[in-house]
Amino acid sequence: KQEVTQIPAALSVPEGENLVLNCSFTDSAIYNLQWFRQDPGKGLTSLLLIQSSQREQTSGRLNASLDKSSGRSTLYIAASQPGDSATYLCAVRPRGDDKIIFGKGTRLHILP
Amino acid sequence: DVKVTQSSRYLVKRTGEKVFLECVQDMDHENMFWYRQDPGLGLRLIYFSYDVKMKEKGDIPEGYSVSREKKERFSLILESASTNQTSMYLCASSSGRVNTEAFFGQGTRLTVV
Repeated sequence: KQEVTQIPAALSVPEGENLVLNCSFTDSAIYNLQWFRQDPGKGLTSLLLIQSSQREQTSGRLNASLDKSSGRSTLYIAASQPGDSATYLCAVRPRGDDKIIFGKGTRLHILP
Repeated sequence: DVKVTQSSRYLVKRTGEKVFLECVQDMDHENMFWYRQDPGLGLRLIYFSYDVKMKEKGDIPEGYSVSREKKERFSLILESASTNQTSMYLCASSSGRVNTEAFFGQGTRLTVV
């Protein structure tokens, strides 16, 4: 059974720093991996989608990488800002399945 | 822009009531999902639908049912609400094509008293 893990559960960094969030999954047979952002009390906003054949995707200050063979993905945030404070979740779509499996997220706090 | 709309942001219901949570998407997506989110437990899949009138149980279907009579609408039904169903409920949709994104609604915070 596919499991997705995000470590650490919470992270605080000073404004302006570059940072990396980690996601690992147990089964490399996936169609894609997606990173989401969630603000308190709100729904999830899609940030980046990486197909299984891709190594990385970029959007603005965000860069997500995928190493399918090792079951790892990272979300790199450059020049962090207080507005980046949120919970970040990664999710995989297992091959042969339409379901989406989530990690529990990393709660990020950017210190002004 | 894809829109997934949940009918309510906040709901307060009494124990034993039948509760309907509605979700509508406007992108002609085949797949629709209902999750609940609780602190420390993350998102847990309740039910999933891959076509009209088709459904599959997720990880925690007990106490819930679903209805998908039209492609754009997926309803979650709490047959007899209980306090342990107090939670944030999130609806999502995605295309049946495998290399596409999933999109979420804004969430419904349900409190059962």
